Amino acid sequence: AQTVTQSQPEMSVQEAETVTLSCTYDTSESDYYLFWYKQPPSRQMILVIRQEAYKQQNATENRFSVNFQKAAKSFSLKISDSQLGDAAMYFCAYRSTTSGTYKYIFGTGTRLKVLA
Amino acid sequence: DAGVTQSPTHLIKTRGQQVTLRCSPKSGHDTVSWYQQALGQGPQFIFQYYEEEERQRGNFPDRFSGHQFPNYSSELNVNALLLGDSALYLCASSDRTVLNEKLFFGSGTQLSVL
Repeated sequence: AQTVTQSQPEMSVQEAETVTLSCTYDTSESDYYLFWYKQPPSRQMILVIRQEAYKQQNATENRFSVNFQKAAKSFSLKISDSQLGDAAMYFCAYRSTTSGTYKYIFGTGTRLKVLA
Repeated sequence: DAGVTQSPTHLIKTRGQQVTLRCSPKSGHDTVSWYQQALGQGPQFIFQYYEEEERQRGNFPDRFSGHQFPNYSSELNVNALLLGDSALYLCASSDRTVLNEKLFFGSGTQLSVL
């Protein structure tokens, strides 16, 4: 069974600085998707970034980028130029590409605090 | 364009009671998934509905059941509530016809069981 681990319960970053959130996962599959979701106090999970395992190039979305290390099963999120609005819970998630598998497996989350 | 809407936003029940949570998917989406998020945890998959049928289920007891209607909206029912069922219940929708389909989440229903 696949697992997702986020070992940082909480992180802090100064406004305008850069922060990296860590995620490791375990799987025996060779093809899958990885995601970072943001959950602000409104509770709605918002997709931040997505990575297909077959792609070697790391995904980027504006100030958000990932460092995907497939062999190490590591998937970290880098937030550049941090803003107050980035403060939220961040969840790493895994989804298999196996036919008939639709569930997302989430980590326990990292709370990001942004200091003014 | 309305996103995923869930009702009610908060609910308080007592042990042994039954509860029904509702979800309307994002416009154009035909697939609905339900997740349970306990305090301090990540969401856990309950089940997914497509074409009015449950097509995958997570590790939840039969007390958790669901339904999808022809308009793609969905209900989550929980019978014989336990204290441990207290959690945020999230609904997510997607369009399976879209390559690289993405999940869109609602803001959830906070269920408290006393």
